[in-house]
Amino acid sequence: QVQLVESGGVVVQPGRSLILSCGASGFTFSGFDMHWVRQAPGKGLEWVAVTSNDGSNTYYADSVKGRFSISRDNSKNTLFLHMDSLKPEDTAVYYCARKFDYYIPFDYWGQGTLVTVSS
Amino acid sequence: QPVLAQPPSSSASPGETARLTCALSRDIDVGSYNIYWYQHKPGSPPRYLLYHYSDLDKGRGSGVPSRFSASKDSSANTGILLISGVQSEDEADYYCLIWPGNAWVFGGGTRLTVL
Repeated sequence: QVQLVESGGVVVQPGRSLILSCGASGFTFSGFDMHWVRQAPGKGLEWVAVTSNDGSNTYYADSVKGRFSISRDNSKNTLFLHMDSLKPEDTAVYYCARKFDYYIPFDYWGQGTLVTVSS
Repeated sequence: QPVLAQPPSSSASPGETARLTCALSRDIDVGSYNIYWYQHKPGSPPRYLLYHYSDLDKGRGSGVPSRFSASKDSSANTGILLISGVQSEDEADYYCLIWPGNAWVFGGGTRLTVL
């Protein structure tokens, strides 16, 4: 069965960097675009970034553009989110999610990993 | 990036029809986009419900009951999620979503309370 497992969430100081990982199993990872989506405490869902199945195309939300970078290692079935210049407003649970097709933007989601940006 | 405005809360009694709205900012035309809808309950990942482009181009996710449907109000530039015969299990947060071309955009979400 499809499984997505995020890791890397910690408490980090403002201005520092962090890398999140998402391990995938149960499907052909290299065949699917992958997303990061976050949810700040008490807030709604916010899309963060997406990468195409081969990593050649990436898109970002304006709120993270220039600070975050999405990447993937298809040989290791792993998705990454490199987060630089972290701000308190980046505090959130970060989910990785699979894009199924044009009609289903996110079909499978991980359970999320919590990033807290605080001094 | 465009803005999708959803009322923060709504309520319905069991058996009633809940009507949840998603108003698109004026720079984008609701008629030109798929509107996707997700349900999110605490402690669980969001669940895909359906997409709606037009009455002839729409679809529900696997296992999603037919009482979940959607429409558009072009005059109000708004997407609408309809939940007929509301049940207690429908109590959740509901999000609309679009792809305007270079980024995915979620609405702020509506918390549906079943009275």
